[in-house]
Amino acid sequence: GAGVSQSPSNKVTEKGKDVELRCDPISGHTALYWYRQRLGQGLEFLIYFQGNSAPDKSGLPSDRFSAERTGESVSTLTIQRTQQEDSAVYLCASSFWRPGANVLTFGAGSRLTVL
Amino acid sequence: SQQGEEDPQALSIQEGENATMNCSYKTSINNLQWYRQNSGRGLVHLILIRSNEREKHSGRLRVTLDTSKKSSSLLITASRAADTASYFCATDAIQGAQKLVFGQGTRLTINP
Repeated sequence: GAGVSQSPSNKVTEKGKDVELRCDPISGHTALYWYRQRLGQGLEFLIYFQGNSAPDKSGLPSDRFSAERTGESVSTLTIQRTQQEDSAVYLCASSFWRPGANVLTFGAGSRLTVL
Repeated sequence: SQQGEEDPQALSIQEGENATMNCSYKTSINNLQWYRQNSGRGLVHLILIRSNEREKHSGRLRVTLDTSKKSSSLLITASRAADTASYFCATDAIQGAQKLVFGQGTRLTINP
């Protein structure tokens, strides 16, 4: 597609429910990233996928968080048993990774509110 | 802890003035990038400077990089109301180079 597409744009859920956030990267982009941004804060790295390599999951805050990517296509971020502190904007980005010139294109984000 | 830290956290200036934001980081890097974010949504890439470069220009943007001090600055000249946004630096560390790490950002407000 022309850009990185994320859905849903807004999600309100009750504490304890599971949520799935979807990211459609730019076609041909080999790398895909998930970040979390709490209100007024910076971007917190969650997970990174690059081609067929094992993903870098070092930023996932707990085992309630998981993510999958189908080949070099769609990615889904799943949060199980949501907590109020999970409320944030979840940003997805993709890139055609090149050494020393890895420029990210971001989606508009999915705003998650946990009541 | 975050690799990049921006300074100041917030900056408010009059339209037409220049705005300068700073970024410090901790480890050796391949490159440093600046991004802009409007209204808490997606970020847009502004400029990339490699570790062997000291200064780079793009339109009204000027970026400097001092690897000895592990710091960078972003200068926006002749600011406009439309420049109001949050600005983030992101570093591409030599180790774990595939993971871009972002700072906390500078919130810039341009007053008409």
